Amino acid sequence: ILNVEQSPQSLHVQEGDSTNFTCSFPSSNFYALHWYRWETAKSPEALFVMTLNGDEKKKGRISATLNTKEGYSYLYIKGSQPEDSATYLCALMSGYSTLTFGKGTMLLVSP
Amino acid sequence: NAGVTQTPKFQVLKTGQSMTLQCAQDMNHNSMYWYRQDPGMGLRLIYYSASEGTTDKGEVPNGYNVSRLNKREFSLRLESAAPSQTSVYFCASSAGNSNQPQHFGDGTRLSIL
Repeated sequence: ILNVEQSPQSLHVQEGDSTNFTCSFPSSNFYALHWYRWETAKSPEALFVMTLNGDEKKKGRISATLNTKEGYSYLYIKGSQPEDSATYLCALMSGYSTLTFGKGTMLLVSP
Repeated sequence: NAGVTQTPKFQVLKTGQSMTLQCAQDMNHNSMYWYRQDPGMGLRLIYYSASEGTTDKGEVPNGYNVSRLNKREFSLRLESAAPSQTSVYFCASSAGNSNQPQHFGDGTRLSIL
């Protein structure tokens, strides 16, 4: 069983703050790193799929970076808004077609 | 644009009862997955089907069986439900390549008394 760690477990910020989370994973046999956004009472939605060391992806105010050699990925949210409140999941694909998920970082953005 | 559809959305069972959770996708995806989500545990893979006609165990397969009925449908069966199987179950599908995301259904909340 692969160990995918996310930190912090939860985060409470004020509207307008910028924030970032970390996903750590074993760097051997790496295929891809996925980020998902999971709002309460909804299903997870894909944000990014990253496959190359040094990859940097951006969607609006959210961006992510990947370091496969040292086994980590960062997710950044610039100018957080209340609608960014959600749990952010990372997941490692290291073979076959299956993902191993971290436990997530729960973000709460207060107005 | 339905995506991944799961039925039912909620179910309460008694210990020992059996039940099948249904999942269907309309995106012509090759791979389908069943996860369970428990507090503090994150999403854990129960079974998956990399392509039509194949199924494989995930991290927590005990107490479950699956059927890949055709390319669209992947069902999860609890033969004799136990309280430890109380959970939220998610079905997902993907094209099957490492650079393609998984698409999730809305989940089935299952309580076993």
